[in-house]
Amino acid sequence: TAGITQAPTSQILAAGRSMTLRCTQDMRHNAMYWYRQDLGLGLRLIHYSNTAGTTGKGEVPDGYSVSRANTDDFPLTLASAVPSQTSVYFCASSPDSSYNSPLHFGNGTRLTVT
Amino acid sequence: SQQGEEDPQALSIQEGENATMNCSYKTSINNLQWYRQNSGRGLVHLILIRSNEREKHSGRLRVTLDTSKKSSSLLITASRAADTASYFCATDATGSNYKLTFGKGTLLTVNP
Repeated sequence: TAGITQAPTSQILAAGRSMTLRCTQDMRHNAMYWYRQDLGLGLRLIHYSNTAGTTGKGEVPDGYSVSRANTDDFPLTLASAVPSQTSVYFCASSPDSSYNSPLHFGNGTRLTVT
Repeated sequence: SQQGEEDPQALSIQEGENATMNCSYKTSINNLQWYRQNSGRGLVHLILIRSNEREKHSGRLRVTLDTSKKSSSLLITASRAADTASYFCATDATGSNYKLTFGKGTLLTVNP
């Protein structure tokens, strides 16, 4: 079925190591987003991209970087992981970045930084 | 910063009963959305209500919006065990470039 694919499903990562979380959508949506979900804090926006070739910072961008080389892919990179980046990461997309666009979510990547 | 806050944090009801969850927010909004999250899964969009709308229905879901009180409610009628999930409100604050801010969610448990 059409939607968003995130990989890996889960990962244990040593502190100081780098990692890229992958996100691919097949809905030809223009806008894509990365959120992290932490117990007691809800979902917080890390980075977003309104269209291919552009990116922007969300509420908690420090320690993360993104790129949007094409419409379908929106990888999230942790250059040097720290334990506070232990979280569940969700990629989402929407047809466009307008106020009427609901988000479609992937099933998340559970990351543990030790 | 949290724009929307759901209330209660957790709700447990019997199958067939109605479930009401509330959301309060702090600033002016363009729209408010409700999402459901089943355990271990991503969020699924349920319903969007615009700032100039007061009530919206979708199947067994009824959403109200009171912009004067900066609050919204989600009513699930005739609940089923399959409705067990966390429910989140998300607001699109005016001036936010349409970026959604999510609340912390209400965990709904529907007992068979």
